[in-house]
Amino acid sequence: DAGITQSPRHKVTETGTPVTLRCHQTENHRYMYWYRQDPGHGLRLIHYSYGVKDTDKGEVSDGYSVSRSKTEDFLLTLESATSSQTSVYFCAIRESTDTQYFGPGTRLTVL
Amino acid sequence: AQSVTQPDIHITVSEGASLELRCNYSYGATPYLFWYVQSPGQGLQLLLKYFSGDTLVQGIKGFEAEFKRSQSSFNLRKPSVHWSDAAEYFCAVGERNTDKLIFGTGTRLQVFP
Repeated sequence: DAGITQSPRHKVTETGTPVTLRCHQTENHRYMYWYRQDPGHGLRLIHYSYGVKDTDKGEVSDGYSVSRSKTEDFLLTLESATSSQTSVYFCAIRESTDTQYFGPGTRLTVL
Repeated sequence: AQSVTQPDIHITVSEGASLELRCNYSYGATPYLFWYVQSPGQGLQLLLKYFSGDTLVQGIKGFEAEFKRSQSSFNLRKPSVHWSDAAEYFCAVGERNTDKLIFGTGTRLQVFP
C-alpha cells in the first residue's frame, strides 16, 4: 500500500461541466501521475508532476489540466467534460526505485 | 519510440494448469520492465519488475518472469494457476532516467475450475 487515495471514487456528470479529480498521497513522493484506462488501450499517461508546481504533459493531455500546489495532492481537471472522457482514472506515485504504485481509481461517466 | 505488445487479449486456462503471458517491447537499450495485475474494479498491483542482473525475476503470488534481450520479451509465468489469479495482466516498460511508463493493452485471464 503506497498510501494513495483518490476522490471521488465514482462520478457521473454531464457534458460541458467542469470536473476535478483528486489524488492524495501520504508518503511525500516527488513524482505523481494521472492515467486513464480504456478497453483496448491499457493505461495512457495524461499528465505527471515532478514536484510542487512542476508538471508536464503525457500522451493524452488534450482536454485535461493539472495542478500541484502541495506535495501530497495532485489534481486533474476536465475544464468541460466530454463523453470521450468517460473512463477510469488512476493516479500513481513513483518511488525512488523508479517503480510506480497506483491508487484505487476513479470511474467517471460523462453523459 | 517505446512500445509494448501483449499479443493475447484473452487467455483461458484450467485451475492447476501452467500459465505463460507474453510481452514484447520495443526499446533501444535495456529498459525497466514491469508486470502489474488488476482484479475487477481494483487498481493495479505490482507483481514483479526487472531492472538489471538475473534475467529470471520472482514476484508475488508465485509468479516469475524472464527477460530475454535477444527476443525483446518479458513473459510472465506461473507453474500452477489458482482460481484467484483470474484478472487482467499488464506489462509495462520504462525508460531509464525518465519519468514515464508505457503499458501494453493487457491480457485478461480466465480460470476454469
